Amino acid sequence: SQELEQSPQSLIVQEGKNLTINCTSSKTLYGLYWYKQKYGEGLIFLMMLQKGGEEKSHEKITAKLDEKKQQSSLHITASQPSHAGIYLCGADTPGGGADGLTFGKGTHLIIQP
Amino acid sequence: DARVTQTPRHKVTEMGQEVTMRCQPILGHNTVFWYRQTMMQGLELLAYFRNRAPLDDSGMPKDRFSAEMPDATLATLKIQPSEPRDSAVYFCASGLQVFSQIFGPGTRLTVL
Repeated sequence: SQELEQSPQSLIVQEGKNLTINCTSSKTLYGLYWYKQKYGEGLIFLMMLQKGGEEKSHEKITAKLDEKKQQSSLHITASQPSHAGIYLCGADTPGGGADGLTFGKGTHLIIQP
Repeated sequence: DARVTQTPRHKVTEMGQEVTMRCQPILGHNTVFWYRQTMMQGLELLAYFRNRAPLDDSGMPKDRFSAEMPDATLATLKIQPSEPRDSAVYFCASGLQVFSQIFGPGTRLTVL
């Protein structure tokens, strides 16, 4: 089965600083999804990556998928308190993208004012 | 904004009791997922339905868990009997395609 390793497990960053979260797969990724979860709430979809080398940005968040499609990174520029939460990467299960996702264990992000 | 609703939001029960969690998917979504989130295991897929038919429940302990979708507006996840190790947050998500999976707010279950 596919496993996703996220690093770091937790991250404390001073407001205004940049940060990067990584997601590494044991197998080739055919669909990689980034979600954000606020404490005590459900997951919010951020971005989906499918092609090797693909990069997407939304506001101050940029996600990349490497050429080999086994690693993705999420980069936040000039972090703000609103970025705090748990970031999870998810990948298509072997049965295909519409058959549910396998998730990493998440990265807890704390933004210090 | 269309939302997935889940009830109850919190449930505390004693070991051995039956627990039923409910989910109302977004109207028009044909796929409904059940996930469980714990600190140790993270977020795990338990089961999912497409067009109300169960497609995969291999992630679910079958002896005590059951998932059903009696109609297009309601999905249920039942645990009988519940055990302390079932304590977790249970999420329902609905969608048409995986990248449009919309998650509900979750049911936080505590089994004493």
